[in-house]
Amino acid sequence: DAKTTQPPSMDCAEGRAANLPCNHSTISGNEYVYWYRQIHSQGPQYIIHGLKNNETNEMASLIITEDRKSSTLILPHATLRDTAVYYCIVSPLNNAGNMLTFGGGTRLMVKP
Amino acid sequence: KAGVTQTPRYLIKTRGQQVTLSCSPISGHRSVSWYQQTPGQGLQFLFEYFSETQRNKGNFPGRFSGRQFSNSRSEMNVSTLELGDSALYLCASSERAGGGELFFGEGSRLTVL
Repeated sequence: DAKTTQPPSMDCAEGRAANLPCNHSTISGNEYVYWYRQIHSQGPQYIIHGLKNNETNEMASLIITEDRKSSTLILPHATLRDTAVYYCIVSPLNNAGNMLTFGGGTRLMVKP
Repeated sequence: KAGVTQTPRYLIKTRGQQVTLSCSPISGHRSVSWYQQTPGQGLQFLFEYFSETQRNKGNFPGRFSGRQFSNSRSEMNVSTLELGDSALYLCASSERAGGGELFFGEGSRLTVL
C-alpha cells in the first residue's frame, strides 16, 4: 500500500475551517484516498473517500490535487467535538479485503 | 440500524491466560475485520473475515486467531497472553470485502497483568 505523510498535530479555532493536509506521492492509479477520525476512547469513524474528483458530504470536503499526490480534508466550521486524530489512508477500492493501513495521523485540537 | 457491538468492553487477564472477544457487525454486513491499537504501534490490522472465510491476516503470531459465524458475528481469541497484548481491540464491519468504508465498534480494552 502507498504510504501517507501527515503533520503530527494541528490547532484550529472553533468556528473556523480546519484544513488537514496529506501527502501520498506514491499513490497508484487504482488507489482511493480515505479519511477516518478517532475521537478519544472511541473506534475510528469513516469520514469520506475519493479517487480523483473533489468530494463533499455532510461531514467534510475532500480536495485531491490533479496529480493525486496530495489531498486536503476540510472541516468547514470546526467545533470542539471535532477534536480527534485524523487518519489519511490510501487503498484500492477492491483490494483483497478491508485491510487498511493506518499511519500516525494528525491530532487536531479545536480551541474555543 | 444498530452499530457494531463489541463485548466485553473491558477485561483484565493475567499472563498465560487466554481471552475471547466478540463482535456483532451491523446487520447485513458480511465483512468483519479486527485491529489492535496500542500507544506504541498505533492501529494494526489483525485479520479479516468475509462469509466465514479468513481473507487476510496481518503480521501477528499464531496466538491470535479468529473466526466468523454464519450470522456474520465474529470472535477473536488470543492464547497464552503476554504483557504486550494489552491493547484496545477494534472490530470493524463492512457491507463487502474491499470497500474501504469500515464501521468500527467501540473496542474491547484488554489489560494483561
